Amino acid sequence: EDQVTQSPEALRLQEGESSSLNCSYTVSGLRGLFWYRQDPGKGPEFLFTLYSAGEEKEKERLKATLTKKESFLHITAPKPEDSATYLCAVQASGTYKYIFGTGTRLKVLA
Amino acid sequence: SQTIHQWPATLVQPVGSPLSLECTVEGTSNPNLYWYRQAAGRGLQLLFYSVGIGQISSEVPQNLSASRPQDRQFILSSKKLLLSDSGFYLCAWSVQGGGGADGYTFGSGTRLTVV
Repeated sequence: EDQVTQSPEALRLQEGESSSLNCSYTVSGLRGLFWYRQDPGKGPEFLFTLYSAGEEKEKERLKATLTKKESFLHITAPKPEDSATYLCAVQASGTYKYIFGTGTRLKVLA
Repeated sequence: SQTIHQWPATLVQPVGSPLSLECTVEGTSNPNLYWYRQAAGRGLQLLFYSVGIGQISSEVPQNLSASRPQDRQFILSSKKLLLSDSGFYLCAWSVQGGGGADGYTFGSGTRLTVV
């Protein structure tokens, strides 16, 4: 069964304190792994797509990496505006749907 | 550019009442359309998806139904709401094929509370 597990469930960081969020997955043939940011009461906002092990993507203070079993979202020198829930999802080959994890709630303190 | 509209933003409905949530996409044609539900502490759960007009696939047996009367319109309905239907409902679209480099694009969501 395709599955996505994110850890930790919640993370509190001081402004400037770098850290990483983890997304472990099992899928029958990975078509893509996706990272989203979700603010309270809003729909998820697309961040990155990763397709194969070894691939990396960067956007501002965020960097996503992918291995055959997990993905990391590295946050460098975070700011309070980076506070949000970060969602990971996988899409299996031959399917339309994404399997989402439950997310990591990030709080960055000034 | 493509935009997705979802309404209403919030809804409070009594148990047993009907439901209709609407989603429309602009700036693209023949999109894949999706309805997800997000419950507290749980991941997004796919409810329905559609690859074309009148083509609806259901992922989870439930008290809800979906319809796609036009290419860029997706409607989520219920004849009689249950308490367990409460949640945050999200509409999304993607290019044909299901993903693409930009993944899904989500609407702003509808917070449904059944009382």
